[in-house]
Amino acid sequence: GESVGLHLPTLSVQEGDNSIINCAYSNSASDYFIWYKQESGKGPQFIIDIRSNMDKRQGQRVTVLLNKTVKHLSLQIAATQPGDSAVYFCAEGVANTPLVFGKGTRLSVIA
Amino acid sequence: DAGVIQSPRHEVTEMGQEVTLRCKPISGHDYLFWYRQTMMRGLELLIYFNNNVPIDDSGMPEDRFSAKMPNASFSTLKIQPSEPRDSAVYFCASSWTGREQYFGPGTRLTVT
Repeated sequence: GESVGLHLPTLSVQEGDNSIINCAYSNSASDYFIWYKQESGKGPQFIIDIRSNMDKRQGQRVTVLLNKTVKHLSLQIAATQPGDSAVYFCAEGVANTPLVFGKGTRLSVIA
Repeated sequence: DAGVIQSPRHEVTEMGQEVTLRCKPISGHDYLFWYRQTMMRGLELLIYFNNNVPIDDSGMPEDRFSAKMPNASFSTLKIQPSEPRDSAVYFCASSWTGREQYFGPGTRLTVT
C-alpha cells in the first residue's frame, strides 16, 4: 500500500533471529516515545511506549531502549517471525502536544 | 470495541470534485487526529481536536481542506475542490490522553 517511502531504510532478517530497529529523535525535551507497526494497507498499530524517566521497557517479544544522552531509541524484536514484516515508526511527544512521527524503517523477514 | 472506523476505505474522484472523509473515534476518547500519508512526505498531522474543539490546524495544507467534529463520535475531513496532489492515504486516530493514539484503517484517496 501507499504507506512507505521509496527511500525508507530497510532491515532484512532471517526468521528466528532478533531484530533491532533504531530511531534518532530530535527534541531533547521529548518525554514520551511510542513505537508503531504498520502493515501494508493498514493503519499504524501501537506496539509499546516508554517515558523519559525509563531507559528500558519490555513487552511480549519486544523491548524498547531509550538513550536520552544521544537521543536514540531502539526497538528489539525477539525471534522475528514473518508476521513481523512491516514498516516500524518511532514517535516522540512533549507534554500534551501531538506526537511527531519518524520516517519509518521497513523490516523484511526472510523465511 | 470496534476501534476507529473510517469511511469510505477507497475513494476515486475527478479533479475539482468535493471529497468528504468520515471518522468515528473510539468511544470515550477525547482527542481526534487527522493525518495524511504519502510516499514522499510520510505521515503528516493535518489537524487535531480535543473535546470536539479544533486545537491545531497548522498542518492543513490550504483552504481547500476543512475538518469538523460536530460531536464526540463523528468527524469529517473535506477537500473542496480536490486536486491530483491530494491523492494519499488519510488516517484518523483517536486518543484518551492525547498521547497513545489508535489509528483507523485509512481512506485511500485517488484524484484523477
